[in-house]
Amino acid sequence: DAGVTQSPTHLIKTRGQQVTLRCSPKSGHDTVSWYQQALGQGPQFIFQYYEEEERQRGNFPDRFSGHQFPNYSSELNVNALLLGDSALYLCASRGWGETQYFGPGTRLLVL
Amino acid sequence: AQKITQTQPGMFVQEKEAVTLDCTYDTSDPSYGLFWYKQPSSGEMIFLIYQGSYDQQNATEGRYSLNFQKARKSANLVISASQLGDSAMYFCAMRGSGSSNTGKLIFGQGTTLQVKP
Repeated sequence: DAGVTQSPTHLIKTRGQQVTLRCSPKSGHDTVSWYQQALGQGPQFIFQYYEEEERQRGNFPDRFSGHQFPNYSSELNVNALLLGDSALYLCASRGWGETQYFGPGTRLLVL
Repeated sequence: AQKITQTQPGMFVQEKEAVTLDCTYDTSDPSYGLFWYKQPSSGEMIFLIYQGSYDQQNATEGRYSLNFQKARKSANLVISASQLGDSAMYFCAMRGSGSSNTGKLIFGQGTTLQVKP
Protein backbone atom coordinates (compact mmCIF):
# COMPACT_ATOMS: atom_id res chain seq x y z
CA ASP A 1 0.00 0.00 0.00
CA ALA A 2 1.80 3.11 -1.24
CA GLY A 3 1.82 6.08 1.05
CA VAL A 4 1.68 9.75 0.11
CA THR A 5 4.32 10.64 -2.47
CA GLN A 6 5.67 14.07 -3.39
CA SER A 7 7.92 15.39 -6.11
CA PRO A 8 10.46 16.77 -6.42
CA THR A 9 12.30 16.15 -3.16
CA HIS A 10 14.40 19.28 -3.43
CA LEU A 11 14.14 22.42 -5.53
CA ILE A 12 16.18 25.61 -5.90
CA LYS A 13 14.60 28.69 -7.48
CA THR A 14 15.37 32.39 -7.67
CA ARG A 15 13.19 35.27 -6.53
CA GLY A 16 10.34 36.06 -8.89
CA GLN A 17 10.18 32.61 -10.43
CA GLN A 18 7.26 30.24 -10.29
CA VAL A 19 7.26 26.71 -8.90
CA THR A 20 4.96 23.68 -9.08
CA LEU A 21 5.03 20.92 -6.48
CA ARG A 22 3.22 17.61 -6.91
CA CYS A 23 1.51 15.17 -4.58
CA SER A 24 -0.11 11.76 -4.95
CA PRO A 25 -2.36 10.77 -2.06
CA LYS A 26 -2.42 7.48 -0.20
CA SER A 27 -4.49 4.82 -1.93
CA GLY A 28 -8.19 5.29 -1.17
CA HIS A 29 -7.82 8.88 -0.01
CA ASP A 30 -9.66 11.67 -1.79
CA THR A 31 -8.77 14.77 0.23
CA VAL A 32 -5.42 16.52 -0.07
CA SER A 33 -4.04 19.31 2.10
CA TRP A 34 -0.87 21.35 1.72
CA TYR A 35 1.26 22.76 4.52
CA GLN A 36 4.30 25.03 4.67
CA GLN A 37 6.89 24.38 7.36
CA ALA A 38 9.56 26.99 7.96
CA LEU A 39 12.76 25.91 9.67
CA GLY A 40 12.22 25.28 13.38
CA GLN A 41 8.46 25.83 13.19
CA GLY A 42 5.35 23.69 13.08
CA PRO A 43 3.58 23.28 9.72
CA GLN A 44 1.13 25.98 8.63
CA PHE A 45 -2.00 25.04 6.67
CA ILE A 46 -2.12 26.44 3.14
CA PHE A 47 -5.28 24.88 1.66
CA GLN A 48 -7.27 21.71 1.19
CA TYR A 49 -8.70 20.13 -1.96
CA TYR A 50 -11.65 17.78 -2.24
CA GLU A 51 -13.58 16.82 -5.37
CA GLU A 52 -11.20 18.95 -7.44
CA GLU A 53 -12.12 22.15 -5.58
CA GLU A 54 -10.37 24.23 -2.96
CA ARG A 55 -12.51 23.72 0.13
CA GLN A 56 -10.58 25.50 2.86
CA ARG A 57 -7.73 27.97 2.88
CA GLY A 58 -5.28 29.20 5.45
CA ASN A 59 -3.77 32.65 5.74
CA PHE A 60 -1.68 32.58 2.56
CA PRO A 61 -1.65 35.11 -0.31
CA ASP A 62 -3.12 34.45 -3.73
CA ARG A 63 0.39 33.70 -5.03
CA PHE A 64 -0.27 30.25 -3.60
CA SER A 65 -2.69 28.29 -5.73
CA GLY A 66 -3.46 24.67 -6.32
CA HIS A 67 -5.25 22.07 -8.30
CA GLN A 68 -6.65 18.61 -7.78
CA PHE A 69 -7.00 16.14 -10.61
CA PRO A 70 -9.68 13.46 -11.13
CA ASN A 71 -7.28 10.80 -9.78
CA TYR A 72 -7.07 12.88 -6.54
CA SER A 73 -3.44 13.90 -7.07
CA SER A 74 -2.70 17.55 -6.47
CA GLU A 75 -0.36 20.38 -7.39
CA LEU A 76 0.74 23.40 -5.39
CA ASN A 77 1.79 26.43 -7.43
CA VAL A 78 3.63 29.42 -6.02
CA ASN A 79 4.09 32.50 -8.20
CA ALA A 80 6.50 35.41 -7.81
CA LEU A 81 8.67 33.56 -5.31
CA LEU A 82 10.03 35.45 -2.31
CA LEU A 83 12.99 34.55 -0.12
CA GLY A 84 10.50 33.87 2.67
CA ASP A 85 8.88 31.10 0.65
CA SER A 86 11.90 28.91 1.38
CA ALA A 87 10.50 26.04 3.43
CA LEU A 88 9.53 22.40 3.55
CA TYR A 89 6.23 21.89 1.75
CA LEU A 90 4.22 18.97 3.03
CA CYS A 91 1.27 17.29 1.39
CA ALA A 92 -1.21 15.28 3.45
CA SER A 93 -4.08 13.04 2.40
CA ARG A 94 -7.15 11.86 4.23
CA GLY A 95 -9.89 9.37 3.54
CA TRP A 96 -12.98 8.70 5.63
CA GLY A 97 -11.23 8.97 8.98
CA GLU A 98 -9.88 11.91 10.95
CA THR A 99 -6.20 11.32 10.37
CA GLN A 100 -4.13 13.12 7.77
CA TYR A 101 -1.14 11.16 6.47
CA PHE A 102 1.84 13.14 5.25
CA GLY A 103 4.30 12.69 2.44
CA PRO A 104 8.07 13.16 2.68
CA GLY A 105 7.86 16.79 1.65
CA THR A 106 9.56 19.03 -0.90
CA ARG A 107 12.36 21.28 0.31
CA LEU A 108 12.23 24.59 -1.58
CA LEU A 109 15.09 27.05 -1.44
CA VAL A 110 14.59 30.49 -2.95
CA LEU A 111 17.77 32.45 -3.69
CA ALA B 1 -8.91 31.10 18.58
CA GLN B 2 -7.57 27.59 18.63
CA LYS B 3 -4.03 27.09 19.81
CA ILE B 4 -1.59 24.30 20.63
CA THR B 5 1.23 24.91 23.11
CA GLN B 6 4.28 22.71 23.55
CA THR B 7 6.46 24.16 26.27
CA GLN B 8 9.43 21.79 26.04
CA PRO B 9 11.75 22.80 23.17
CA GLY B 10 14.06 19.86 23.89
CA MET B 11 14.02 16.70 25.97
CA PHE B 12 16.55 13.97 26.76
CA VAL B 13 15.72 10.43 27.81
CA GLN B 14 17.82 7.37 28.51
CA GLU B 15 17.27 4.39 26.22
CA LYS B 16 14.62 1.97 27.56
CA GLU B 17 13.10 4.58 29.88
CA ALA B 18 9.70 6.24 29.48
CA VAL B 19 9.28 9.90 28.55
CA THR B 20 6.33 12.32 28.56
CA LEU B 21 6.01 15.12 26.03
CA ASP B 22 3.66 17.91 27.08
CA CYS B 23 0.89 19.46 25.03
CA THR B 24 -1.85 21.87 26.05
CA TYR B 25 -4.58 23.13 23.77
CA ASP B 26 -7.16 25.85 23.63
CA THR B 27 -10.50 25.62 21.87
CA SER B 28 -14.08 26.60 22.51
CA ASP B 29 -15.46 23.84 20.28
CA PRO B 30 -16.83 20.85 22.26
CA SER B 31 -15.90 18.51 19.39
CA TYR B 32 -12.23 18.31 18.47
CA GLY B 33 -9.48 15.87 17.62
CA LEU B 34 -5.92 15.77 18.88
CA PHE B 35 -2.96 14.20 17.11
CA TRP B 36 0.70 13.50 17.69
CA TYR B 37 3.18 13.30 14.83
CA LYS B 38 6.87 12.39 14.75
CA GLN B 39 9.20 14.17 12.34
CA PRO B 40 12.67 12.66 11.89
CA SER B 41 15.44 14.72 10.32
CA SER B 42 14.36 13.41 6.90
CA GLY B 43 11.29 15.66 7.16
CA GLU B 44 8.39 13.25 6.77
CA MET B 45 5.62 13.77 9.32
CA ILE B 46 4.70 10.34 10.75
CA PHE B 47 1.30 9.88 12.42
CA LEU B 48 1.54 8.34 15.89
CA ILE B 49 -1.76 8.58 17.73
CA TYR B 50 -5.21 10.22 17.73
CA GLN B 51 -7.61 11.19 20.52
CA GLY B 52 -11.15 12.39 19.94
CA SER B 53 -12.68 14.79 22.44
CA TYR B 54 -15.55 12.40 23.15
CA ASP B 55 -13.42 9.29 23.49
CA GLN B 56 -13.92 7.80 26.93
CA GLN B 57 -10.54 6.14 27.17
CA ASN B 58 -7.02 7.38 26.55
CA ALA B 59 -5.68 6.35 23.15
CA THR B 60 -2.86 3.83 22.91
CA GLU B 61 -0.81 2.62 19.94
CA GLY B 62 1.95 0.20 20.80
CA ARG B 63 4.59 2.06 22.85
CA TYR B 64 2.68 5.34 22.48
CA SER B 65 -0.13 6.43 24.76
CA LEU B 66 -1.92 9.72 25.10
CA ASN B 67 -2.62 11.07 28.58
CA PHE B 68 -5.80 13.02 27.85
CA GLN B 69 -6.99 15.34 30.63
CA LYS B 70 -9.96 17.20 29.21
CA ALA B 71 -10.57 19.53 32.16
CA ARG B 72 -6.95 20.67 32.08
CA LYS B 73 -6.95 20.80 28.26
CA SER B 74 -3.84 18.70 28.06
CA ALA B 75 -2.92 15.82 25.74
CA ASN B 76 0.52 14.59 26.73
CA LEU B 77 2.28 11.88 24.74
CA VAL B 78 3.92 9.08 26.70
CA ILE B 79 6.54 6.96 24.98
CA SER B 80 7.43 3.82 26.88
CA ALA B 81 10.71 1.90 26.57
CA SER B 82 12.44 4.58 24.48
CA GLN B 83 14.56 3.47 21.55
CA LEU B 84 17.38 5.27 19.73
CA GLY B 85 15.10 5.51 16.70
CA ASP B 86 12.67 7.63 18.72
CA SER B 87 15.06 10.59 18.46
CA ALA B 88 13.11 13.13 16.41
CA MET B 89 10.91 16.23 16.58
CA TYR B 90 7.43 15.58 17.96
CA PHE B 91 4.43 17.73 17.13
CA CYS B 92 1.06 17.94 18.84
CA ALA B 93 -1.78 19.05 16.55
CA MET B 94 -5.49 19.76 16.71
CA ARG B 95 -8.15 19.60 14.04
CA GLY B 96 -9.59 22.99 13.24
CA SER B 97 -13.17 23.76 14.26
CA GLY B 98 -15.98 25.50 12.46
CA SER B 99 -17.29 24.66 9.00
CA SER B 100 -14.44 26.52 7.30
CA ASN B 101 -11.61 25.02 9.32
CA THR B 102 -12.28 21.34 9.90
CA GLY B 103 -9.85 20.36 7.17
CA LYS B 104 -6.80 21.91 8.70
CA LEU B 105 -4.48 20.83 11.45
CA ILE B 106 -3.14 23.39 13.88
CA PHE B 107 0.35 22.47 15.09
CA GLY B 108 2.39 23.36 18.11
CA GLN B 109 6.03 24.44 17.95
CA GLY B 110 7.31 20.93 18.53
CA THR B 111 9.59 19.19 21.02
CA THR B 112 12.95 17.71 20.04
CA LEU B 113 13.52 14.38 21.75
CA GLN B 114 16.98 12.86 22.01
CA VAL B 115 17.37 9.30 23.25
CA LYS B 116 20.73 8.56 24.89
CA PRO B 117 22.29 5.07 24.64
